[in-house]
Amino acid sequence: QSALTQPASVSGSPGQSITISCTGISSDVGTYNLVSWYQQHPGKVPKLMIYEGSKRPSGVSNRFSGSKSGNTASLTISGLQAEDESNYYCCSYVGSNAYWVFGGGTKLTVL
Amino acid sequence: QVQLVQSGAEVTKSGASLKVSCKASGYTFTAYYIHWVRQAPGQGLEWMGWINPNNGGTNYAQKFQGRVAMTSDTSIGTTYMELSRLRSDDTAVYYCARNKGGTAPRGGWFDPWGQGTLVTVSS
Repeated sequence: QSALTQPASVSGSPGQSITISCTGISSDVGTYNLVSWYQQHPGKVPKLMIYEGSKRPSGVSNRFSGSKSGNTASLTISGLQAEDESNYYCCSYVGSNAYWVFGGGTKLTVL
Repeated sequence: QVQLVQSGAEVTKSGASLKVSCKASGYTFTAYYIHWVRQAPGQGLEWMGWINPNNGGTNYAQKFQGRVAMTSDTSIGTTYMELSRLRSDDTAVYYCARNKGGTAPRGGWFDPWGQGTLVTVSS
């Protein structure tokens, strides 16, 4: 199972919006609405930010939103803040064999 | 609160085996599958497999089949991940994470995560 494809890096200024894409194939992202997104600060534990493609866990800011179109899922962060600077990973369920696959990760820099 | 607490850092040699533990608290242990995910230094997250603590059923990523074994001890609410024939490229932080959103064979997401266990494999 190949990793999902994410851009290595994105950047934005405070207050702006950015979008991180996560491209899979029809057997993972394209078929299942089970993409999740994780934020990981350096040296820290990953934190769930989005699940089932677009749902936010309790306590996650509504500045974070998720969506999907075809084989590509996206994470959008609006009103960028310095604290959003981190690494972000997407993850998808692969139902054919009950596997999971991660994206390679995207480093977000807040300028 | 729901918590997963992992065993401490380990240093081991190539060819050896290693067992990492993950103790659950704050919820019914047998009701949720547990995943194992690893992260090599400076690299991304890599899914290794899951275990159903209720019956010991497992599903491993193809890359690790034959080298990994996940087990559980319901009496103490703990799952284990053992990796054998270690190589230097197995040096990584290993995380356990609870599956949410139903049973793992039907999908889900990872929440919460353990604090991670650094495993260093030296030659």
